Amino acid sequence: QQKVQQSPESLSVPEGGMASLNCTSSDRNFQYFWWYRQHSGEGPKALMSIFSDGDKKEGRFTAHLNKASLHVSLHIRDSQPSDSALYFCAASEPGTGGYKVVFGSGTRLLVSP
Amino acid sequence: GALVYQYPRRTICKSGTSMRMECQAVGFQATSVAWYRQSPQKTFELIALSTVNSAIKYEQNFTQEKFPISHPNLSFSSMTVLNAYLEDRGLYLCGARPRVNQDTQYFGPGTRLLVL
Repeated sequence: QQKVQQSPESLSVPEGGMASLNCTSSDRNFQYFWWYRQHSGEGPKALMSIFSDGDKKEGRFTAHLNKASLHVSLHIRDSQPSDSALYFCAASEPGTGGYKVVFGSGTRLLVSP
Repeated sequence: GALVYQYPRRTICKSGTSMRMECQAVGFQATSVAWYRQSPQKTFELIALSTVNSAIKYEQNFTQEKFPISHPNLSFSSMTVLNAYLEDRGLYLCGARPRVNQDTQYFGPGTRLLVL
């Protein structure tokens, strides 16, 4: 079983809409989370990291972490066609310096104009 | 800014031959370099982690004999896929962690390996 699971597998939202992506870890040792975005033909780029319970907002992107349930979400408001990409959740254990990161299987987001 | 280059971007090799790929961190010093393989199904597998002043650590299902890695300095790493077969195809990604911001990891664009 994958230690980091993402849902949904794919998501379509209209331009200007809200996209919500979910991630859950099955390993209680994983306490640090990242969201990465990968456009076609490129490597993944880090969007946000979140290590503490609660919300973290950066521009149109808001991440929410609930450590008790090991659930992290990413919300993209005012979605743009350029946001269309593969989104990966990644997690690691604290104390390793975040060196060993485990990725989820990804959510494909399509924002239609 | 911090960039990670990978070379080549794409390569094709015959089954049973070997292929070397390179990773270069530019604009920062990398305290660790991780090599991943992204399968055609888009899932990531960590191959190995190379940390300054530590031995290279390979994940289960990946060995030094199959994926030898060289990490001679803080900016450069190379990995070879020896005796490549069909199951080795995929996008090989290099992730470098900077010394000054160790809660992030910069990825290169990847080397796409096709095996005929």
